[in-house]
Amino acid sequence: LAKTTQPISMDSYEGQEVNITCSHNNIATNDYITWYQQFPSQGPRFIIQGYKTKVTNEVASLFIPADRKSSTLSLPRVSLSDTAVYYCLAGGSQGNLIFGKGTKLSVKP
Amino acid sequence: NAGVTQTPKFQVLKTGQSMTLQCAQDMNHEYMSWYRQDPGMGLRLIHYSVGAGITDQGEVPNGYNVSRSTTEDFPLRLLSAAPSQTSVYFCASSYRDSPSRSPLHFGNGTRLTVT
Repeated sequence: LAKTTQPISMDSYEGQEVNITCSHNNIATNDYITWYQQFPSQGPRFIIQGYKTKVTNEVASLFIPADRKSSTLSLPRVSLSDTAVYYCLAGGSQGNLIFGKGTKLSVKP
Repeated sequence: NAGVTQTPKFQVLKTGQSMTLQCAQDMNHEYMSWYRQDPGMGLRLIHYSVGAGITDQGEVPNGYNVSRSTTEDFPLRLLSAAPSQTSVYFCASSYRDSPSRSPLHFGNGTRLTVT
């Protein structure tokens, strides 16, 4: 199982870029890396996914180095509405999708 | 589309009672799973299923039972509720071709309190 490790919490201010790094040393060759966002009283929702190098969509970028032992979620110019818990998921190609404890991001005005 | 629907939204049980948390999805997803979420613990996998008739245990399966008789439904049964099972429960689903590659779709959760 690719156990993940993330910082427990991060603080930022509106307009700043936020980078959250996740460590997944035991990721398997055929596993993908997926990030989710969760607001209070809601289920997590998909943000971005990648396998290697860089992936960008309308809300975030995901950077994955060649060894794939870590990944970094980048949120450009955060706003108050980006305050949430962010989860990194790596592995589980057989179905045992194990989440870490997540990173609680607080964005201040 | 409704996506992943969980019922009930809230439930209070007494110790020793049994109940079933319902989960249904209308996306024809083969993979379904149950998580519990407790403060400071993140999401912990209880049971999962890669298709009808197939179930497997996750990280914290004790005290819970599942079955998968149809593609659409994946109920979670508490056989004899305990206060330690007080939690928020989330159901999720995705395509089976690769659970790691297919993003999970989550329901809005069931908040369970056991007194």
